[in-house]
Amino acid sequence: DAGVIQSPRHEVTEMGQEVTLRCKPISGHNSLFWYRQTMMRGLELLIYFNNNVPIDDSGMPEDRFSAKMPNASFSTLKIQPSEPRDSAVYFCASSNNEQFFGPGTRLTVL
Amino acid sequence: GIQVEQSPPDLILQEGANSTLRCNFSDSVNNLQWFHQNPWGQLINLFYIPSGTKQNGRLSATTVATERYSLLYISSSQTTDSGVYFCAATRGGGKLIFGQGTELSVKP
Repeated sequence: DAGVIQSPRHEVTEMGQEVTLRCKPISGHNSLFWYRQTMMRGLELLIYFNNNVPIDDSGMPEDRFSAKMPNASFSTLKIQPSEPRDSAVYFCASSNNEQFFGPGTRLTVL
Repeated sequence: GIQVEQSPPDLILQEGANSTLRCNFSDSVNNLQWFHQNPWGQLINLFYIPSGTKQNGRLSATTVATERYSLLYISSSQTTDSGVYFCAATRGGGKLIFGQGTELSVKP
């Protein structure tokens, strides 16, 4: 198995632009998680899905952030409009019981 | 909710030394994992260990669920072991609660 796949690996954009991060979970996993990691705040859970349904989005910072999981093999995290404080590494993870992380997307908003 | 605390926060070792990292959790758990975040930022699974003992090469882990702690042992440390070690646990559902991590630096 290729593991959790994320794209892009790096994204540099200007403030106000829309950013879309993508994730393909491990085949057969029924839960998918989006995390954000910064030096200041550490690793934060943004949202997670179970069987494609959002279960807990209490970590989503504000309305500028949205996440979807249209099917079992794909999820997106969108930021619109982006701001410099959104700069971070965004991880996607999937699990049945044991959770596995993707390589992350390093987002820089100028 | 459940709280996860790790100690020590920082650790510096000479290559070849052994070390023990500790993870305390505030409630019963049905999932506990150890991760290594390497200097390139990758989060690597080390152990899925809600209870009992497991070994993988130079690393081993023990979780004593009744006493609400887990230990990660690193023997004969190597410079490639450097990075941050996270413990994460969940009581129910899929939401893992992460500790603040132990930052390990192994000197040659």
